[in-house]
Amino acid sequence: KAGVTQTPRYLIKTRGQQVTLSCSPISGHRSVSWYQQTPGQGLQFLFEYFSETQRNKGNFPGRFSGRQFSNSRSEMNVSTLELGDSALYLCASSHRGPGGQETQYFGPGTRLLVL
Amino acid sequence: GNSVTQMEGPVTLSEEAFLTINCTYTATGYPSLFWYVQYPGEGLQLLLKATKADDKGSNKGFEATYRKETTSFHLEKGSVQVSDSAVYFCALSDRGSNYKLTFGKGTLLTVNP
Repeated sequence: KAGVTQTPRYLIKTRGQQVTLSCSPISGHRSVSWYQQTPGQGLQFLFEYFSETQRNKGNFPGRFSGRQFSNSRSEMNVSTLELGDSALYLCASSHRGPGGQETQYFGPGTRLLVL
Repeated sequence: GNSVTQMEGPVTLSEEAFLTINCTYTATGYPSLFWYVQYPGEGLQLLLKATKADDKGSNKGFEATYRKETTSFHLEKGSVQVSDSAVYFCALSDRGSNYKLTFGKGTLLTVNP
């Protein structure tokens, strides 16, 4: 099975612009989660989508949004970019195993640099 | 809320040395526990997991045992290789947080030949 794929891998934007990142989950996985990784804050949860619905949300401002399509592919959007949004954005997909627990598998990430 | 504490790095070892990276957690329910590894310039790879108390996760010579009594999930390897150099993250998820992952801050491991 192919793993989680994310596009683009690298992105450079300027302050005030907006950006859209894309994630394709592992085939058969219906849940997609997004995380932001920075040197200062570490790995922080952004949101999770399941069957096109946001199921879980982290503590990020409304400039960060996402959506999921019927084929489980997901996009996240950041509007009015700030310098502090420079980070590695990781997408993870998961399926629910026996007993209800889920194991998340991560993509390679999109590295965003805001100038 | 949930939290994960792992030992501060960086950790520097010689090849074939024994590795321990400590991880303790706080959770309200009965979490699943994970170790992920991140190689330079890459995303996270699942290294091993354990879903209930006393479970031992293992992969590629790495092991970790879910200890409910000490709320710990320490990562060990008997003989590290240069190729094990990476950042290691301990994480948990549970039903109460709707299975979102809570991560530790990561431990940088450098193995010298």
